[in-house]
Amino acid sequence: QVTLKESGPALVKPTQTLTLTCTFSGFSFTASGMRLSWIRQSPGKALEWLARIDGDDEKFYKTSLKTRLTISKDTSRNQVVLTMTNMDPADTATYYCSFGSYYRVWGQGALVTVSS
Amino acid sequence: DIQMTQSPSTLSASVGDRVTITCRASQSISSWLAWYQQKPGKAPSLLIYKASTLESGVPSRFSGSGSGTEFTLTINSLQPDDLATYYCHQYHDYSPTFGQGTKVEVK
Repeated sequence: QVTLKESGPALVKPTQTLTLTCTFSGFSFTASGMRLSWIRQSPGKALEWLARIDGDDEKFYKTSLKTRLTISKDTSRNQVVLTMTNMDPADTATYYCSFGSYYRVWGQGALVTVSS
Repeated sequence: DIQMTQSPSTLSASVGDRVTITCRASQSISSWLAWYQQKPGKAPSLLIYKASTLESGVPSRFSGSGSGTEFTLTINSLQPDDLATYYCHQYHDYSPTFGQGTKVEVK
């Protein structure tokens, strides 16, 4: 059974860098075809895909946020990390990690508020 | 990026009604489309993938159809538990996108 759990700070200040961790279990990230994405949802808004990392370490980013995002994995710790630089109040959102091409399994989400 | 446009944005229907939500892609995505249900305060839940394949455990009153640029999600015999927001999601390319959501209210 695949499980995912997001963790990170609940509050960050404008211009700071956000680091979120997705801890997973139930699958091997080294297996072919494995992929994990980060998706966010601002309050009352739609879902927005941010980034993806595959088992072969190939990475993909939302074009408009590419300069601010970095995704990486630590297979020894079963974790995928997303960093987002230069945080702005508009980045206030619940951040989810999810598994697969279509998202069959989701984490519970981590609410991040950007405020001074 | 491929734009996904859902309609309507909100709908109100009675228990037992048949409900249809439409999703249009700005370019062909073949059948690389999924539908999700999201209840307040919860993560989305997968309903349909590959346009028409029902996810295991999802009630059979949910169905999906379409290909190319036009897709529909149908809920046959709406139930009170179906109160939620529904999103379509294209995974045709390396920059997935979601529709803006359709909020379903039960009268």
